[in-house]
Amino acid sequence: GQNIDQPTEMTATEGAIVQINCTYQTSGFNGLFWYQQHAGEAPTFLSYNVLDGLEEKGRFSSFLSRSKGYSYLLLKELQMKDSASYLCAVRDGDYKLSFGAGTTVTVRA
Amino acid sequence: TAGITQAPTSQILAAGRSMTLRCTQDMRHNAMYWYRQDLGLGLRLIHYSNTAGTTGKGEVPDGYSVSRANTDDFPLTLASAVPSQTSVYFCASSEAGEHQPQHFGDGTRLSIL
Repeated sequence: GQNIDQPTEMTATEGAIVQINCTYQTSGFNGLFWYQQHAGEAPTFLSYNVLDGLEEKGRFSSFLSRSKGYSYLLLKELQMKDSASYLCAVRDGDYKLSFGAGTTVTVRA
Repeated sequence: TAGITQAPTSQILAAGRSMTLRCTQDMRHNAMYWYRQDLGLGLRLIHYSNTAGTTGKGEVPDGYSVSRANTDDFPLTLASAVPSQTSVYFCASSEAGEHQPQHFGDGTRLSIL
């Protein structure tokens, strides 16, 4: 089966930076996605990595190391609206997505 | 606004009854998916369809069935509901291509009593 691990909860202060780590062991690898999910809402797409390195999208960046089975999502200049769950998902060798349990980020004033 | 529509938004169902969750997308995506989301477990794939007329089993298919008669619709049926199927169900769709993300509906909150 697939194994995707990420921390359960993180807390940070408004304006700060938070890094959410994700480690994975999957049967095959065809890309890694990060999604944001506010409480009671649908997940929304944030970023995609398939090659090693950093992808930057405004305040959000995502990094991938395929050899280490490791990714992180970096949230900069945190705002209250960034309080949400962040889901790491790996596309395996069969092109299906396997999700981690999610990391709940709480931003405090 | 284009997207994915799920119905109903929420439902309480007696154990043993059958139920069909509806999912419709207007983005002409080939691939569609059904997930359930449970606290502490994340999203788990129930069934998927890569194109109209084909379906496949995901990680947790038992107790569920799907059909894909056309591109737009992908209903999920619980033939005889059990309390362990209490969950939030999300439908998603995506275009073909490795880098294409999945787009999710707003979910159906289902309680089996």
